[in-house]
Amino acid sequence: KAGVTQTPRYLIKTRGQQVTLSCSPISGHRSVSWYQQTPGQGLQFLFEYFSETQRNKGNFPGRFSGRQFSNSRSEMNVSTLELGDSALYLCASSRGAPEQFFGPGTRLTVL
Amino acid sequence: GQQVMQIPQYQHVQEGEDFTTYCNSSTTLSNIQWYKQRPGGHPVFLIQLVKSGEVKKQKRLTFQFGEAKKNSSLHITATQTTDVGTYFCAGQRGATNKLIFGTGTLLAVQP
Repeated sequence: KAGVTQTPRYLIKTRGQQVTLSCSPISGHRSVSWYQQTPGQGLQFLFEYFSETQRNKGNFPGRFSGRQFSNSRSEMNVSTLELGDSALYLCASSRGAPEQFFGPGTRLTVL
Repeated sequence: GQQVMQIPQYQHVQEGEDFTTYCNSSTTLSNIQWYKQRPGGHPVFLIQLVKSGEVKKQKRLTFQFGEAKKNSSLHITATQTTDVGTYFCAGQRGATNKLIFGTGTLLAVQP
């Protein structure tokens, strides 16, 4: 069974630009969560989608948004990028069981 | 807001020595999960604890959930070089996939 895939794996953007990251969950998993990982703040929850609906949201500004498609694939978008948005963005899928399966992440660098 | 702290931040041991990381939440948790992240990798689920006072073992790893469901610990007996990585606890409140990650403990094992 294929794992969680995320594209792209690496991304370099400049301040003010926007970016879209993609996540394909494990087949059959309907829940997709996004996390931001930085050395200073650690792993922080961004949001969770289930059946195309946002079910939970973390404490991030409105520049961070996401969506989920009918095939459970998810995208997150960050608009008006800031230097502090440089991070590893991790996607995790779940079938409702406690275990969340993480993808390899997208390393975003904002210059 | 809800915070989950872990100590120590970093632990360096000789191979064969034991290791323990402690996790403390500012609020009561419905359950706690533990993840391991190898350098350059992504978090991988280890275990979930749900009941007050619960103890679970996985080979050389022993996990405990406190009586008040606000703290947890992970103990590794006779560490091996393959144990290297960052260990995160992650708490949940209620029926949600939102994980509040601890600050993590980086374990280095010298052969």
